Amino acid sequence: EAGVAQSPRYKIIEKRQSVAFWCNPISGHATLYWYQQILGQGPKLLIQFQNNGVVDDSQLPKDRFSAERLKGVDSTLKIQPAKLEDSAVYLCASRSQGRGSPLHFGNGTRLTVT
Amino acid sequence: AQTVTQSQPEMSVQEAETVTLSCTYDTSESDYYLFWYKQPPSRQMILVIRQEAYKQQNATENRFSVNFQKAAKSFSLKISDSQLGDAAMYFCAYRSGNDMRFGAGTRLTVKP
Repeated sequence: EAGVAQSPRYKIIEKRQSVAFWCNPISGHATLYWYQQILGQGPKLLIQFQNNGVVDDSQLPKDRFSAERLKGVDSTLKIQPAKLEDSAVYLCASRSQGRGSPLHFGNGTRLTVT
Repeated sequence: AQTVTQSQPEMSVQEAETVTLSCTYDTSESDYYLFWYKQPPSRQMILVIRQEAYKQQNATENRFSVNFQKAAKSFSLKISDSQLGDAAMYFCAYRSGNDMRFGAGTRLTVKP
């Protein structure tokens, strides 16, 4: 099966600019996650979708971050305006509905804000 | 909130030797799952092994095995016959329902 696809692989922007990341989960996976991974740290959940509904966005900085999952498949994560501390790897993951199903991750997008 | 703690920021092992990575977690749930993920420099998180909390038997996947101590809330990963390709960041993770949490990671170096 095809894995989780993410793009772009790298992005460099200046602070106060905007940026968007795209994720296509594994076919049939209803649950989709966006994680932020700062260098040297573990992934931190930003938002979780179940189909096209938000399950958890409690750690999403909503003044600058937004995410959507139209039609319950692809998802986009946007940052506007970006800050220096947003420099990180943004990981997308998906999983099936099975009780013990693991997360499957994409290759991530490395964002550098200068 | 559930927390996952990895107390070893870095570990090293000689090729062909055995190494154990530690993980503890805090939860009040009785039904949950534990995972170890490997993250090489390519950045993609790869599932290494998983454990269901209601199973007492420790999970094993080839050279990888876990020591799951539910009462102590401990979930360590043992890598036997270490190979150069095992060098990576290793993350311990906990999931209960929709809640998925990761530890800070342990960087494993394998010396030839």
